[in-house]
Amino acid sequence: QKEVEQNSGPLSVPEGAIASLNCTYSDRGSQSFFWYRQYSGKSPELIMFIYSNGDKEDGRFTAQLNKASQYVSLLIRDSQPSDSATYLCAVPHSSASKIIFGSGTRLSIRP
Amino acid sequence: DVKVTQSSRYLVKRTGEKVFLECVQDMDHENMFWYRQDPGLGLRLIYFSYDVKMKEKGDIPEGYSVSREKKERFSLILESASTNQTSMYLCASTGTDTQYFGPGTRLTVL
Repeated sequence: QKEVEQNSGPLSVPEGAIASLNCTYSDRGSQSFFWYRQYSGKSPELIMFIYSNGDKEDGRFTAQLNKASQYVSLLIRDSQPSDSATYLCAVPHSSASKIIFGSGTRLSIRP
Repeated sequence: DVKVTQSSRYLVKRTGEKVFLECVQDMDHENMFWYRQDPGLGLRLIYFSYDVKMKEKGDIPEGYSVSREKKERFSLILESASTNQTSMYLCASTGTDTQYFGPGTRLTVL
């Protein structure tokens, strides 16, 4: 089992709809969770982080964390074509100074 | 704003050449990382460093070495470049848990 798992996609969502991206992780000791957005040919950019169970909202983005079920998700409301990118889930290792990345989900917003 | 810079955006080298990739961060971060990213394989950790002159192997250190003589600078060295090292190389720097990436260096080895 991979330490951080994501569906590779592509996930195709119509413009204006809600895009839902999911991530599961194996390290029960993990305390913080990150979502990065990566446009083609560019480096990853941090867009959300969450530490506590429940929801965290930032503009059109909502991160949801369920530690008991070991999953974290990212919802994008009112999806725009500019949201088309690969989204990476990242989880700091609980006992080492490194961050584990999922392989990313490719999101495509169709006009 | 955290700034992580890398010495080159694009680099073309020949097989057998020694290659240096430089990374500099301006936020006094302790931890710095080198990744490579290939289609279908995601981000793979090559080496990381948690202090000056300290280094740890990541998941794929073979064929690479690193140097950290100053806190702000972390260098990745390909001792003898090979075609299978053609990739996007990403440097990152970590604050309290949050990791910031440089713009990346796309290296082609011919």
